[in-house]
Amino acid sequence: NAGVTQTPKFRVLKTGQSMTLLCAQDMNHEYMYWYRQDPGMGLRLIHYSVGEGTTAKGEVPDGYNVSRLKKQNFLLGLESAAPSQTSVYFCASSYGQATYNEQFFGPGTRLTVL
Amino acid sequence: QQQVKQSPQSLIVQKGGIPIINCAYENTAFDYFPWYQQFPGKGPALLIAIRPDVSEKKEGRFTISFNKSAKQFSLHIMDSQPGDSATYFCAAWENYGGSQGNLIFGKGTKLSVKP
Repeated sequence: NAGVTQTPKFRVLKTGQSMTLLCAQDMNHEYMYWYRQDPGMGLRLIHYSVGEGTTAKGEVPDGYNVSRLKKQNFLLGLESAAPSQTSVYFCASSYGQATYNEQFFGPGTRLTVL
Repeated sequence: QQQVKQSPQSLIVQKGGIPIINCAYENTAFDYFPWYQQFPGKGPALLIAIRPDVSEKKEGRFTISFNKSAKQFSLHIMDSQPGDSATYFCAAWENYGGSQGNLIFGKGTKLSVKP
């Protein structure tokens, strides 16, 4: 059981470039999330999905797009990267979105935008 | 507006000490309060959690104290060890109704336990 995996682990982009971050989970979880973590800011929700084919905006969605074509995968896209998107990105998944459903996190992707 | 306020930002204790991390909130729609532990280079992982109808919960050396009237909760680590050195996040589940909601995180506390 790999849990939640993220690809790539590190990436450096130039301003204006695009890229896609891939998240995969093998726990058959219904819900998936993308967070960004910045120093002194904690974790902030970018987008989330409550099931295959669905997506919804979180707290900081601007500049990002997501897709959930398969239940086990959740993709985060940056169409035109900006230095403000330099961050560590975490994907998470949970069985449901009920109060007591634990979120399981991946190891993160460190993105630098120059 | 920061919905979950966490303090201190960093904390250094000696081995065997009892670090205490505090969190406060205003939103009465919060109905579940987990703590996540994050080691360098890793993703956060659930450590312990409490519901607002309970004033204290212990799991091993980790204890959550919850004060519903004051809208405050805290994490205590008994007999702290160097292996406890990590960043700790408090969080609160904002219940939208039914099974919908959102997890709001504090800004984190970096704990260092010196040998």
